[in-house]
Amino acid sequence: RKEVEQDPGPFNVPEGATVAFNCTYSNSASQSFFWYRQDCRKEPKLLMSVYSSGNEDGRFTAQLNRASQYISLLIRDSKLSDSATYLCVVRAGGYNKLIFGAGTRLAVHP
Amino acid sequence: GAGVSQSPSNKVTEKGKDVELRCDPISGHTALYWYRQSLGQGLEFLIYFQGNSAPDKSGLPSDRFSAERTGGSVSTLTIQRTQQEDSAVYLCASNRDAPDTQYFGPGTRLTVL
Repeated sequence: RKEVEQDPGPFNVPEGATVAFNCTYSNSASQSFFWYRQDCRKEPKLLMSVYSSGNEDGRFTAQLNRASQYISLLIRDSKLSDSATYLCVVRAGGYNKLIFGAGTRLAVHP
Repeated sequence: GAGVSQSPSNKVTEKGKDVELRCDPISGHTALYWYRQSLGQGLEFLIYFQGNSAPDKSGLPSDRFSAERTGGSVSTLTIQRTQQEDSAVYLCASNRDAPDTQYFGPGTRLTVL
């Protein structure tokens, strides 16, 4: 079983749609959680950290459920520029090493 | 300020040859990481350097892979006797310390013919 699992997609949505991505992780000792964004043929860049209480950054909302070992990312009012691969990332406690999911691809169309 | 830089950006080599990939982390970042990303796949951790501590080599796929970090700054990833399955994008990242954000370089796209 992979340490971090994501639905690979692709998710094809029209502009303005709301889309949600899910991620599960296997290591219950994981302590830090992130969503990274990766554009085609580019390096990953941090989109947002995920906090236990849930957090929001503009159109993006991240949620963490430690009991279920589940992380989500909600994108409201999708823009064409949101088209990218979204990587769920987990760091186990005491380790600086990040574990990346394989990513969920999002394609927003006019 | 300057970000993480990697060279070369692209490398094409023949099976069996050795290659060296270079990473210049952000100045002042004590932690440096190498990852590999095959086409359509997620990032695979290779190796992690933290200051003067012994590196975490747990992700290196075989003894053909090695890395060093000289003077706590620049790092070189060496792949000996390259195989076609080594073809991938090799990404370097750096940060000050956990749980700081990791900043990625643009990667080196390695193609083994």
